[in-house]
Amino acid sequence: DIVMTQTPLSLSVTPGQPASISCKSSQSLLHSDGKTYLYWYLQKPGQPPQLLIYEVSNRFSGVPDRFSGSGSGTDFTLKISRVEAEDVGVYYCMQSIQLPYTFGQGTKLEIK
Amino acid sequence: EVQLVESGGGVVQPGGSLRLSCAASGFTFDDYAMHWVRQAPGKGLEWVSLISGDGGSTYYADSVKGRFTISRDNSKNSLYLQMNSLRTEDTALYYCAKDFEMAMGGWGQGTLVTVSS
Repeated sequence: DIVMTQTPLSLSVTPGQPASISCKSSQSLLHSDGKTYLYWYLQKPGQPPQLLIYEVSNRFSGVPDRFSGSGSGTDFTLKISRVEAEDVGVYYCMQSIQLPYTFGQGTKLEIK
Repeated sequence: EVQLVESGGGVVQPGGSLRLSCAASGFTFDDYAMHWVRQAPGKGLEWVSLISGDGGSTYYADSVKGRFTISRDNSKNSLYLQMNSLRTEDTALYYCAKDFEMAMGGWGQGTLVTVSS
């Protein structure tokens, strides 16, 4: 199975400041079709996860443009340009290039 | 608007069975693959199973292979997860999710399964 490793596991950010989460995969997520199957989710407290970013850098419908994704191969980053109070929760990366789909351990974002 | 509503969770003894259901609306159900994902209390996310739009292809995590069966009834816009030989480690909130670009693009609120004697 592909192992997804996120860092840090928690971070505390002042509103208006940027935040960054790293995700590393144990194998390349670049498929022969040219796509990279790396996704980011946010699970707000008491809610199901919601898709933020698909295929490394594409924002899902309704996701604010303060969220951005980047990376390639095995190293990926989710950035929040200016954290807002509504961004609290646990962020997960996930790969789907190979079954079983696997998630990172999660990164808990708190507001200072 | 995509709506997914899970049901069928509950408390069951080890070795028992449960059948989860997921009622879908707001999209053309048979156009989309569907997933089950679970989350043990206080833990992270674990992908469980995937079924193609026509139901002809199914996939499972090793942890549930041979014990769980995913199925769908496109005439009823419904997804199912038959869970047999349940173990305490199957205790979790089970989400159904609509596929989007090889990921989960819409999620239900989940149904809780507790396996305990």
